[in-house]
Amino acid sequence: EVQLVDSGGGLVQPGGSLRLSCAASGFTFSNYWMNWVRQAPGKGLEWVANINQDGSDKDYVDSVKGRFTISRDNAKDSLYLQMNSLRAEDTAVYYCARGRTWIDYWGQGTLVTVSS
Amino acid sequence: EIVLTQSPGTLSLSPGERATLSCRASQSVSSSYLAWYQQKPGQAPRLLIYDASSRATGIPDRFSGSGSGTDFTLTISRLEPEDFAVYYCQHFTFGGGTKVEIK
Repeated sequence: EVQLVDSGGGLVQPGGSLRLSCAASGFTFSNYWMNWVRQAPGKGLEWVANINQDGSDKDYVDSVKGRFTISRDNAKDSLYLQMNSLRAEDTAVYYCARGRTWIDYWGQGTLVTVSS
Repeated sequence: EIVLTQSPGTLSLSPGERATLSCRASQSVSSSYLAWYQQKPGQAPRLLIYDASSRATGIPDRFSGSGSGTDFTLTISRLEPEDFAVYYCQHFTFGGGTKVEIK
């Protein structure tokens, strides 16, 4: 059974940093593009970043470029999102998600709250 | 960047009725890269349709997708109680969503 388990969320002050993790199981992780997608409270879905199978190709939504870094460790079947210089508008549930042109599996989400 | 605009924002219908949801792209997109998702409160989204018209595994045949170029449609032929939710289209980025609510 495919599983994606998100973790690492929490309360952080503006300007702070946080690292999200996603543990994958039930499939060959190194064969798939992976994404981070977020959803602010009461709002719609926003794609944040993606990464190809070997980590050599990454892309980001403009609003996080230069602040967030997506990475993966295929030996550990894990996906990461390093978030620096956090802003109030980054407050959201962050989902780890599998796929490139469509997303067929999602994590349960981890809540990031940026507030003083 | 291609922008996806979904309409209407809210659709008020009764169980058994037909729902037609629209997704319009700011420029032509490949049908292979258009997907639809359903999301219920407190849950992660669920893939319904990929490649504009292919149903994902386990999705009932009352859900269908169509369209090409800049105009795409998700149709729910007869609404079941469990279909009342928010629906999103995606071409890498997501549309703003359509909420299907009980009338």
